[in-house]
Amino acid sequence: GENVEQHPSTLSVQEGDSAVIKCTYSDSASNYFPWYKQELGKGPQLIIDIRSNVGEKKDQRIAVTLNKTAKHFSLHITETQPEDSAVYFCAAGDSNYQLIWGAGTKLIIKP
Amino acid sequence: GAGVSQSPSNKVTEKGKDVELRCDPISGHTALYWYRQRLGQGLEFLIYFQGNSAPDKSGLPSDRFSAERTGESVSTLTIQRTQQEDSAVYLCAESGGSPLHFGNGTRLTVT
Repeated sequence: GENVEQHPSTLSVQEGDSAVIKCTYSDSASNYFPWYKQELGKGPQLIIDIRSNVGEKKDQRIAVTLNKTAKHFSLHITETQPEDSAVYFCAAGDSNYQLIWGAGTKLIIKP
Repeated sequence: GAGVSQSPSNKVTEKGKDVELRCDPISGHTALYWYRQRLGQGLEFLIYFQGNSAPDKSGLPSDRFSAERTGESVSTLTIQRTQQEDSAVYLCAESGGSPLHFGNGTRLTVT
């Protein structure tokens, strides 16, 4: 079946440094790629998404890049802050209805 | 997640008992999803409701699992004869043509 691989499973970075999380998907028909942030005890919350008609999207300290040929996309967080500590999930599909989710990355920001 | 309420937040049950989990979504949002999240893993799709259409039950792992939704409001997920492998966080999400909005989930522990 279709799947999404997410790496690394855990990422520890110094406060102020950048963090990069990568995902690879198998279904070439996927055209919607959201990233969700999940804090402890809460449900996931969308932080940024991208569609296949663009290669990059940025929102303040967060950016997502997409390489459709290689079927991978990445989340970039710059100038990391303690409140960025959470679990991040990528997903791929052609709509919210048919999303396939990665296994998650636990991001730890060290003070 | 703002606007989506799930209850109970925590449920401990004995193996073999039935449990019912509740989701109160934002009124008027037609699409509602149930997901299962096992410890340290990604989101596993269970069931999808869209308006008055027949629900997509393709993600339900066994016939012990069922879900209902009354119109475009409350949904309940029922697990009969619970097993230890049912232990997980069960997340409800809704979408009104926008990104998914998740509740905070119900943490189910089967002893």
